[in-house]
Amino acid sequence: GAGVSQSPRYKVAKRGQDVALRCDPISGHVSLFWYQQALGQGPEFLTYFQNEAQLDKSGLPSDRFFAERPEGSVSTLKIQRTQQEDSAVYLCASSQLGGTFPSYEQYFGPGTRLTVT
Amino acid sequence: QQPVQSPQAVILREGEDAVINCSSSKALYSVHWYRQKHGEAPIFLMILLKGGEQKGHDKISASFNEKKQQSSLYLTASQLSYSGTYFCGTADSWGKLQFGAGTQVVVTP
Repeated sequence: GAGVSQSPRYKVAKRGQDVALRCDPISGHVSLFWYQQALGQGPEFLTYFQNEAQLDKSGLPSDRFFAERPEGSVSTLKIQRTQQEDSAVYLCASSQLGGTFPSYEQYFGPGTRLTVT
Repeated sequence: QQPVQSPQAVILREGEDAVINCSSSKALYSVHWYRQKHGEAPIFLMILLKGGEQKGHDKISASFNEKKQQSSLYLTASQLSYSGTYFCGTADSWGKLQFGAGTQVVVTP
């Protein structure tokens, strides 16, 4: 079946521009996670949704970062007034069940590589 | 606090074995292992749960020492396809994972 898809795969933005990154999770998956992956590092947690509810946004680095999942499926990560330090790969992952089930694997999308110039 | 992985990198010949370690400073509920090839999505390999349950692929084996808060991933009779960066992710509660910096594995013919 279809996996997690993300678009665009690559995005170049000039410093100060706003960007929107899209994630289509596996159909029916309750949980959706956003991660930021710097070069040579592991993914770092940004935020988590259970259906349409954003239950944890503790990893968002600043108030320029905003995520939504209005209908409990597709999610968008928005970064306002991009800075050079925002350059990274942004990964989305979905999981079958919600919150209290850390025993369920997360399925990752291929990521969006954001470069801020 | 992110888990610590070792070694940072390992080079193997096809057919050789290797062990990748992951340790945490806090009590864990589960340890997740993923492999990522350059420019691709991390692929799920295995979950090890507190209490001994494991879920994952038949050809991958791993251990989880709850008392020591450590996990090890065993690459046995390595194949060229095993090349990539291996990440462990540790969860202490509802599924929020903290990933290590990764172990780069290169398998040569």
